[in-house]
Amino acid sequence: ILNVEQSPQSLHVQEGDSTNFTCSFPSSNFYALHWYRWETAKSPEALFVMTLNGDEKKKGRISATLNTKEGYSYLYIKGSQPEDSATYLCALRWGNTGKLIFGQGTTLQVKP
Amino acid sequence: EPEVTQTPSHQVTQMGQEVILRCVPISNHLYFYWYRQILGQKVEFLVSFYNNEISEKSEIFDDQFSVERPDGSNFTLKIRSTKLEDSAMYFCASSARQANEKLFFGSGTQLSVL
Repeated sequence: ILNVEQSPQSLHVQEGDSTNFTCSFPSSNFYALHWYRWETAKSPEALFVMTLNGDEKKKGRISATLNTKEGYSYLYIKGSQPEDSATYLCALRWGNTGKLIFGQGTTLQVKP
Repeated sequence: EPEVTQTPSHQVTQMGQEVILRCVPISNHLYFYWYRQILGQKVEFLVSFYNNEISEKSEIFDDQFSVERPDGSNFTLKIRSTKLEDSAMYFCASSARQANEKLFFGSGTQLSVL
């Protein structure tokens, strides 16, 4: 059974703290790894789509790395702000198919 | 910025009733999807749709489910005879191309089956 796991499940940090979380996935037949940010009552919003081993992408204070050989991706947030509070979802596109297989998400709460 | 819109935002129905969830994908997108999240569980894939036909479906997407793109703008998910376990947040998504493209999600329809 193809399984995507995220850790931790939830995280509480103070404003200004930097934080990171992990997405683990089977390394065989890898196609792409997606990161989405999902704020309560809003649509999940794409952050990154990563395809190459060693990929590193950055969007403002948020960055992500990818290791397809060992099957993990890290998402980093530098200097967390209250508006970063959201659930961060990773999803694996596995094989030559359009469907995404999601992890359970990491819920980040940033306290002012 | 263009967005995917879904209606209604909430739908309450009785078990056994038919429901239609509606979505308007981004206009120049070619690939359309339905996902759902049952409370406390992972977001799970239901179906993908391209060129007016289903390109892939999950085991969940049985004969009770169907999708349609009736008029070139709307994309609908029909559940013919709802069950209690169909209660979930249903998300529509679209992408311009399939390969390595991010998905644009709607804000979801919360379906409650009583």
